[in-house]
Amino acid sequence: ETGVTQSPTHLIKTRGQQVTLRCSSQSGHNTVSWYQQALGQGPQFIFQYYREEENGRGNFPPRFSGLQFPNYSSELNVNALELDDSALYLCASSLGQGPYEQYFGPGTRLTVT
Amino acid sequence: QKEVEQDPGPLSVPEGAIVSLNCTYSNSAFQYFMWYRQYSRKGPELLMYTYSSGNKEDGRFTAQVDKSSKYISLFIRDSQPSDSATYLCAMSGPGGFKTIFGAGTRLFVKA
Repeated sequence: ETGVTQSPTHLIKTRGQQVTLRCSSQSGHNTVSWYQQALGQGPQFIFQYYREEENGRGNFPPRFSGLQFPNYSSELNVNALELDDSALYLCASSLGQGPYEQYFGPGTRLTVT
Repeated sequence: QKEVEQDPGPLSVPEGAIVSLNCTYSNSAFQYFMWYRQYSRKGPELLMYTYSSGNKEDGRFTAQVDKSSKYISLFIRDSQPSDSATYLCAMSGPGGFKTIFGAGTRLFVKA
């Protein structure tokens, strides 16, 4: 059984650029949630994808968008990067839409300069 | 006011101590309550989850939920240096898809 993987591990971008982060779900999981974790804070819910459809969204602007593919892997896209977007981006996969039994990946550390 | 409040610590205890970690919340619609452990440079790892009020025990860990007081706790018995990590409480409402996390409490267990 393969766990949740994310790529890249680290990324440095300039303000105004666009970035794509990738997540591979744990085998058998059909739901992916994305979170933003600023330094010293808990993860903040960005959105969730269930069977390739956006299933819910947190308080993030439309420049944060996502996709889920037929194999249940997922992408997080952020346009027009701002300095405050610097954070650890976590994805979590689960079976179904429940909040429990979410398995997190190691995250992508994004730095915006 | 944040929906979930959690003391960031740090909390430092000697090995073998009983650790008590707590969160308060304001949204009475929360039904699912989780505790995660996060080591440095790692993603959160689910320790325990509870539905509605009550207690749940798993090995050295006990989770308690008091919905009337909007207060949840995690107790760690016989704490070990390997328990040193950040502990995050998390909660979710009936729909289940949006999970709200506390800021996390940093715990240090000294050998």
